[in-house]
Amino acid sequence: GAVVSQHPSRVICKSGTSVKIECRSLDFQATTMFWYRQFPKQSLMLMATSNEGSKATYEQGVEKDKFLINHASLTLSTLTVTSAHPEDSSFYICSAGVFTVETQYFGPGTRLLVL
Amino acid sequence: GQQLNQSPQSMFIQEGEDVSMNCTSSSIFNTWLWYKQDPGEGPVLLIALYKAGELTSNGRLTAQFGITRKDSFLNISASIPSDVGIYFCAGHSGNTPLVFGKGTRLSVIA
Repeated sequence: GAVVSQHPSRVICKSGTSVKIECRSLDFQATTMFWYRQFPKQSLMLMATSNEGSKATYEQGVEKDKFLINHASLTLSTLTVTSAHPEDSSFYICSAGVFTVETQYFGPGTRLLVL
Repeated sequence: GQQLNQSPQSMFIQEGEDVSMNCTSSSIFNTWLWYKQDPGEGPVLLIALYKAGELTSNGRLTAQFGITRKDSFLNISASIPSDVGIYFCAGHSGNTPLVFGKGTRLSVIA
């Protein structure tokens, strides 16, 4: 099946620093990847849609200057949380569509803790 | 915006029992998906449904795409301890992003 990896799996950083999270499709090419955020005991909230070779599309309420997305190749998308604050602490999950955009396969997630 | 109502919110069942959960929407979807999420992990796709009325099985799991295209259910037969987790439904239509339900938290008592 389609495998999506994320790195790192968990990260702890100081307030004010930036954190980069990588999302890779290991055995397929993904022209579109998605970034989600999940708070404890909550559902997944879409942050942005990452398109290879073009700018990401952000959901309403998500600051594009704070959550920088780069989709440099068909197998890699990165999310950078800039000037992280404690309220940015969350579980960040990426996904990629295989044959169709709507059938998404998810990465294992990255748990971010900002102190 | 589109919303999915997923129920029940949580379930406690005995090992060996069958489980049923469902999602309903106020609007029509073209695709229904069911995912399972274990603690600290990303969701894993269980079943994808693409056609109204479609009934699809994956081992002990069976899901159906409602005829009205506004609902879907997931059944798990003969539950086992490893079925524990959170089950999410998700719907998709047109060019809008996937919409997720709030999840059903399943606990299995051995």
